[in-house]
Amino acid sequence: NAGVTQTPKFRVLKTGQSMTLLCAQDMNHEYMYWYRQDPGMGLRLIHYSVGEGTTAKGEVPDGYNVSRLKKQNFLLGLESAAPSQTSVYFCASRTRGLRGDTQYFGPGTRLTVL
Amino acid sequence: GDSVTQMEGPVTLSEEAFLTINCTYTATGYPSLFWYVQYPGEGLQLLLKATKADDKGSNKGFEATYRKETTSFHLEKGSVQVSDSAVYFCALSYTTGTASKLTFGTGTRLQVTL
Repeated sequence: NAGVTQTPKFRVLKTGQSMTLLCAQDMNHEYMYWYRQDPGMGLRLIHYSVGEGTTAKGEVPDGYNVSRLKKQNFLLGLESAAPSQTSVYFCASRTRGLRGDTQYFGPGTRLTVL
Repeated sequence: GDSVTQMEGPVTLSEEAFLTINCTYTATGYPSLFWYVQYPGEGLQLLLKATKADDKGSNKGFEATYRKETTSFHLEKGSVQVSDSAVYFCALSYTTGTASKLTFGTGTRLQVTL
């Protein structure tokens, strides 16, 4: 049981390049989330999904796209990277329904855009 | 909208000192409240939680009480250890209507020295 895994762990991009971050969970969770973490700003929600084939915008969705073709995977795409997208990206998942249920986080992807 | 405010860090303490990290929240309903901890180079882990007013969450010697009258969820520990050095995040979420999205504070860095 690996929990939540993220690929890659580190990446350096040039402005305008594209990339996809992969999040995978083996806990059969319905809900999945992508956050970005920036100094002094905590974690901010980019996009989330409440089930296979569904996605929704979070607090800071501009410049990102997501897909949830399989229940266990949640992909975050950057079509044209910008320096403002330099950040640490975290994926999380949780089960549906119960009050107070925990979100489980992956180890993060550190992205630098030059 | 909902928000979480934490005391700014860093907080530097000597080992065995008493710890308090303040957290207050603004919410339109009755959220669940959480403390997450992030150790260096890792993702976030749930430390403790409380789902209703006057509940006390506790784990690893840390505790926090859900105070509806003061809209607070302060984190305390009686005797900190060097291994407690980390960033601590206060957060809230609702179970229904918002896909259980977490709203985070900005985080408080704790450094414990010998």
